[in-house]
Amino acid sequence: KNEVEQSPQNLTAQEGEFITINCSYSVGISALHWLQQHPGGGIVSLFMLSSGKKKHGRLIATINIQEKHSSLHITASHPRDSAVYICAVSPGGSQGNLIFGKGTKLSVKP
Amino acid sequence: DGGITQSPKYLFRKEGQNVTLSCEQNLNHDAMYWYRQDPGQGLRLIYYSQIVNDFQKGDIAEGYSVSREKKESFPLTVTSAQKNPTAFYLCASSARRQVGEKLFFGSGTQLSVL
Repeated sequence: KNEVEQSPQNLTAQEGEFITINCSYSVGISALHWLQQHPGGGIVSLFMLSSGKKKHGRLIATINIQEKHSSLHITASHPRDSAVYICAVSPGGSQGNLIFGKGTKLSVKP
Repeated sequence: DGGITQSPKYLFRKEGQNVTLSCEQNLNHDAMYWYRQDPGQGLRLIYYSQIVNDFQKGDIAEGYSVSREKKESFPLTVTSAQKNPTAFYLCASSARRQVGEKLFFGSGTQLSVL
């Protein structure tokens, strides 16, 4: 079993829809990252959180430490949101290497 | 603009050949990383460096080598010992190698075997 599981693997939405991507992990963590990988391959860090909720524009990330679960929400989705969204965790208590999920491929249709 | 530059975008390797992937950053970051990405898999750490002239093996270092002679540069060599080198390679950096530091990524290099 992977230590970081994302769901769904693939997601197709219509423009304007509310989107949720989920990340579950099985290890204790110090922080969780949400990353966006563009079709060209470059990756951008969207959020880093260790508790609660963060919001940036139309993107919202939440984390529940007790349930070992995080969600990334996109409101009013747009075709330019089409990308692979990657969840990664920093194992707790050390400078351990990040553990990455396999990613969720999102396609937003106009 | 500050950022990370990887080159080349595409690279082809012949049997038995060593190839070097370039990674340069002008963010004045201490920590730099090399990741490998295979289809349907999460990123895996090859090597990382916390400071100039020091680097550590990651989870899949076999068949790879690195150097960190300058703060801004962290080249990765894929040696002939790496029997399955075809993958997408990403370089990243952070101010320090600490929990909670934001990662900055390059645009990646696709390596293929001829």
